[in-house]
Amino acid sequence: AQSVTQLGSHVSVSEGALVLLRCNYSSSVPPYLFWYVQYPNQGLQLLLKYTSAATLVKGINGFEAEFKKSETSFHLTKPSAHMSDAAEYFCAVRTVNYGGSQGNLIFGKGTKLSVKP
Amino acid sequence: DGGITQSPKYLFRKEGQNVTLSCEQNLNHDAMYWYRQDPGQGLRLIYYSQIVNDFQKGDIAEGYSVSREKKESFPLTVTSAQKNPTAFYLCASTWASTSGYNEQFFGPGTRLTVL
Repeated sequence: AQSVTQLGSHVSVSEGALVLLRCNYSSSVPPYLFWYVQYPNQGLQLLLKYTSAATLVKGINGFEAEFKKSETSFHLTKPSAHMSDAAEYFCAVRTVNYGGSQGNLIFGKGTKLSVKP
Repeated sequence: DGGITQSPKYLFRKEGQNVTLSCEQNLNHDAMYWYRQDPGQGLRLIYYSQIVNDFQKGDIAEGYSVSREKKESFPLTVTSAQKNPTAFYLCASTWASTSGYNEQFFGPGTRLTVL
C-alpha cells in the first residue's frame, strides 16, 4: 500500500531563512506526488506536482521540490522564507488502481510552518 | 469564475441531528471527494464519486452518507450515528482519467461543531 510520511509536525524558521519541509513516500510503482498549502480556515491549494518530466519541480510562491527516487523523498524547499508563507503544508501521493486507472490521494499529516520576524 | 463552493462555512449541530453539507463545482469535473480534517491527522477520505449516481466509501465512511444525482453536486450528510462529528470538512474534485497527474481542487471547507 502506498503511504506518505511528513517528518516534523511543526517547523519554525526566521524570515529570510531556508525553508525545508520533508516528505517521504512508499510506493511500489512510480509515484504521483503533490504538495498542497492550507491557510487557516481555508481549503487546500496546489503548490506543485511531480509529473516525471523533471526531478526538480518548481511551484508557486517560490517553492520547489526535488524528487529523489533512491531516497523515496519529495522534500519541499524555499530559499528565503516570507511571513506570508506561514501555513500548513501537506504532501500527498496518488494511489494507482488495479488496471492502471487513477486512484485516490493519500495525504501526510501535515507540517505547520511558522515564520519569525 | 470556475471553482468549488461549500456551504455553509460554519455549521452547528445538536446531538442527535442529521445535517447536510453542500458542495457544488462548475469545473466540469467527473470525480468528487469528501474529506474530514482533524488537527494533526491530515485529511481522511470519507466518500468519493467518480461518476453520477455512483459513489464509494472511503476510509472513514461510518456515520456519513452522500448522493450524486448531478455532476455538479455532491452533498454530504452527517448522521446522528457519527459519534464525533466536530471537524473541518473539505470537498474536492478532479477529472476522472487514467492520468495520475491530475490534481484535486478543493473548496473552502465547512467547519462543523456539535453543541
